[in-house]
Amino acid sequence: GQNIDQPTEMTATEGAIVQINCTYQTSGFNGLFWYQQHAGEAPTFLSYNVLDGLEEKGRFSSFLSRSKGYSYLLLKELQMKDSASYLCAVRDATGSNYQLIWGAGTKLIIKP
Amino acid sequence: DVKVTQSSRYLVKRTGEKVFLECVQDMDHENMFWYRQDPGLGLRLIYFSYDVKMKEKGDIPEGYSVSREKKERFSLILESASTNQTSMYLCASTSGEGRAKNIQYFGAGTRLSVL
Repeated sequence: GQNIDQPTEMTATEGAIVQINCTYQTSGFNGLFWYQQHAGEAPTFLSYNVLDGLEEKGRFSSFLSRSKGYSYLLLKELQMKDSASYLCAVRDATGSNYQLIWGAGTKLIIKP
Repeated sequence: DVKVTQSSRYLVKRTGEKVFLECVQDMDHENMFWYRQDPGLGLRLIYFSYDVKMKEKGDIPEGYSVSREKKERFSLILESASTNQTSMYLCASTSGEGRAKNIQYFGAGTRLSVL
């Protein structure tokens, strides 16, 4: 079957660093996405990994290991506005080119 | 700037009513999607469309239908609303070009309550 796992909830302190993990089992693999979703709002795109390694974009970085079926999103210098849910999604190459398989999301709570 | 607009943020309907959820995108995207989002579950795909008048079932199409008469508009229809269709509904679109392929842009969502 196809499955994406990520922690349900995490708590971190303002100014600190947090790592949100995502593991996946899919029939094929053709890219992994991270999205941010504030409560009551639309998910917004954060990052895309298709090759192994680290992609850095400002305070946010995303890592992928295809052999391990594993990714993480790293958030540095946490700000209160980073309190949100973070969604991991995988494009399964065996399905439609446009469909994504979504994790349930990790709710990140930032404390002062 | 990318824009996906859903016609309503909140809707309250009664069991058995026919419900229309509208989504419009202004990016000339070929592909459009309807998801529902429930607590503890990932986004679940209801239907998607890769061209005008074309549609494909997603993972949970039962009780829903869709219409795509124009490229910019994708409608989700609940033929006879039931209480288990109470949910947040999200529309998304994506182009098919280059690395931007599959970056899905979402509307703000419609929170539907069926009483």
